[in-house]
Amino acid sequence: EVQLVESGGGLVQPGGSLRLSCAASGFTFSSYDMNWVRQAPGKGLEWVSYITSSSSTIYYADSVKGRFTISRDNAKNSLYLQMNSLRAEDTAVYYCARDRSGYQRYDYWGQGSLVTVSS
Amino acid sequence: DIQMTQSPSSLSASIGDRVTITCRASQSIGRYLNWYQQKTGKAPNLLIYAASSLESGVPSRFSGSGSGTDFTLTINSLQPEDSTTYYCQQSYSTPWTFGQGTKVEI
Repeated sequence: EVQLVESGGGLVQPGGSLRLSCAASGFTFSSYDMNWVRQAPGKGLEWVSYITSSSSTIYYADSVKGRFTISRDNAKNSLYLQMNSLRAEDTAVYYCARDRSGYQRYDYWGQGSLVTVSS
Repeated sequence: DIQMTQSPSSLSASIGDRVTITCRASQSIGRYLNWYQQKTGKAPNLLIYAASSLESGVPSRFSGSGSGTDFTLTINSLQPEDSTTYYCQQSYSTPWTFGQGTKVEI
């Protein structure tokens, strides 16, 4: 069974940092591209970042570029999102999502990790 | 960035009804359009990819159509468990953007 489990969320002050992790199981993690998608409270979905299976290609949304860093460790079946210089508008549930090749569709999602940026 | 606009933002329908949700892209995206269902407090669930391909395990009452800039998600014979929010997403070019969502109420 495919499972994605996020961790690392919590309350952080503006300007602070946080690192999210996503532990993958039930599939060959090293064969899949991965994404982070977030959802602010009561709002819609926003794609945040993408990384290919080999980490050779990485994309970011403009809203996080220069502040967030996506990475992965295929040996540990894990995806990461390092978030620096956090702002109130980064408050959201962050989901990791598996990218099924062809049409960039997200076929499996984690349960989400809440990040709250507040003083 | 490609803007995705869904309509309506919300709708009310009855059990057994046929429901149609529209998604319009600000530029042509071919068939690079996916549909997700999201229940309150849960992660989204992929319903349709490539505009009209049904994801494995998704009930056949869900269908998608369209290409270019105009797309539709149709739910035939609406069921109680379909009362939730639906999002379209373009996967044509980065940043991959979502529509604002359509809430379906029964």
